[in-house]
Amino acid sequence: GENVEQHPSTLSVQEGDSAVIKCTYSDSASNYFPWYKQELGKRPQLIIDIRSNVGEKKDQRIAVTLNKTAKHFSLHITETQPEDSAVYFCAAGMEYGNKLVFGAGTILRVKS
Amino acid sequence: NAGVTQTPKFQVLKTGQSMTLQCAQDMNHEYMSWYRQDPGMGLRLIHYSVGAGITDQGEVPNGYNVSRSTTEDFPLRLLSAAPSQTSVYFCASSYSRDSETQYFGPGTRLLVL
Repeated sequence: GENVEQHPSTLSVQEGDSAVIKCTYSDSASNYFPWYKQELGKRPQLIIDIRSNVGEKKDQRIAVTLNKTAKHFSLHITETQPEDSAVYFCAAGMEYGNKLVFGAGTILRVKS
Repeated sequence: NAGVTQTPKFQVLKTGQSMTLQCAQDMNHEYMSWYRQDPGMGLRLIHYSVGAGITDQGEVPNGYNVSRSTTEDFPLRLLSAAPSQTSVYFCASSYSRDSETQYFGPGTRLLVL
């Protein structure tokens, strides 16, 4: 089955700096890669996603890149703000979104 | 729309007790699923359903049962609770096979003593 590894497990950055979180997946059949943000005590919420037919996708300060050959994808947050502090999860899946495999999560702390 | 709702928000069980975690959505979503979230392990899929009357197992199905008699509801049953089932449980739904965006419920925090 699919296995997703996520690094780093914790990341501290200064406000205004960039943050990068990386994930690798094992199943080359996976074709959908979402990123979720989870604030303390809250539910996970989708922030950006990418399909395997696209190499990069951007939404304001957030971007995701995908390297199908190497089977890894990354989340890039630019100009970080204190409200970006949260746990971020990557996931990989195929067919239907309900069968996602999640990474273990990255705790992002943005220091002001 | 209320979105995805879960009850209860918090529950304490004794080992061996059974209970049902409720999940409902009012968005007419075909796909629903249950995850458990444990520290350092992300979200792990327990069971999922692609439509009323159809369910299948995820990564960690042992000790849990599900049913999907209606589009709206997808209850998760713990048959005989064990301390290893202490976790936060999230229900999620998505519209159809062409829409992978999952909407999560607020979660149920379960403590098994």
